[in-house]
Amino acid sequence: DAGVIQSPRHEVTEMGQEVTLRCKPISGHDYLFWYRQTMMRGLELLIYFNNNVPIDDSGMPEDRFSAKMPNASFSTLKIQPSEPRDSAVYFCASNRDGKYQPQHFGDGTRLSIL
Amino acid sequence: AQKVTQAQTEISVVEKEDVTLDCVYETRDTTYYLFWYKQPPSGELVFLIRRNSFDEQNEISGRYSWNFQKSTSSFNFTITASQVVDSAVYFCALSGGNYGGSQGNLIFGKGTKLSVKP
Repeated sequence: DAGVIQSPRHEVTEMGQEVTLRCKPISGHDYLFWYRQTMMRGLELLIYFNNNVPIDDSGMPEDRFSAKMPNASFSTLKIQPSEPRDSAVYFCASNRDGKYQPQHFGDGTRLSIL
Repeated sequence: AQKVTQAQTEISVVEKEDVTLDCVYETRDTTYYLFWYKQPPSGELVFLIRRNSFDEQNEISGRYSWNFQKSTSSFNFTITASQVVDSAVYFCALSGGNYGGSQGNLIFGKGTKLSVKP
């Protein structure tokens, strides 16, 4: 079975540019999570969806960040405008049934904002 | 509030040594789940084990074993006869519950970096 697929794997862009990260969850999973990993803050949840509906976006740093899930097989995380402090590894994860099941992670997108 | 503490930031051992990674958690929930994930140098996050709060039996999977003790709020992970391929960052995580956390997200510890030298 295909795992969680994220694209791109690496993104380098200049400050002020728009960045779009993409995620395809595992088929049949009804929860989708976006995490950010930095040395300073570790792994932190940004937002999660249940059945394509955003449930908790309290971890989204500021209005520059937005996430959508137009259908069960696709989600995007957008940063506009990007800033150097947004540089991090962004992970997407999915599972069935939310908190009681293990989350399956994609390989992550390593984002560098110059 | 929910919290996961991995006090060991880095551990270095020589191959074939046993090593235990500590995890202490805080939660007010009576029902919760604990997880361990491995992040090898390649960067992906790999699920290792899930344990629910009602099951305190220790679990063994090959060279890996886990000790869950509710009395001390700990969920420790032991690797027996470590190998170079075990070198990775290991994360302990707690499922979000009804108090101080969302219903779905994982609360991660800061991770323990394990280096196994030949």
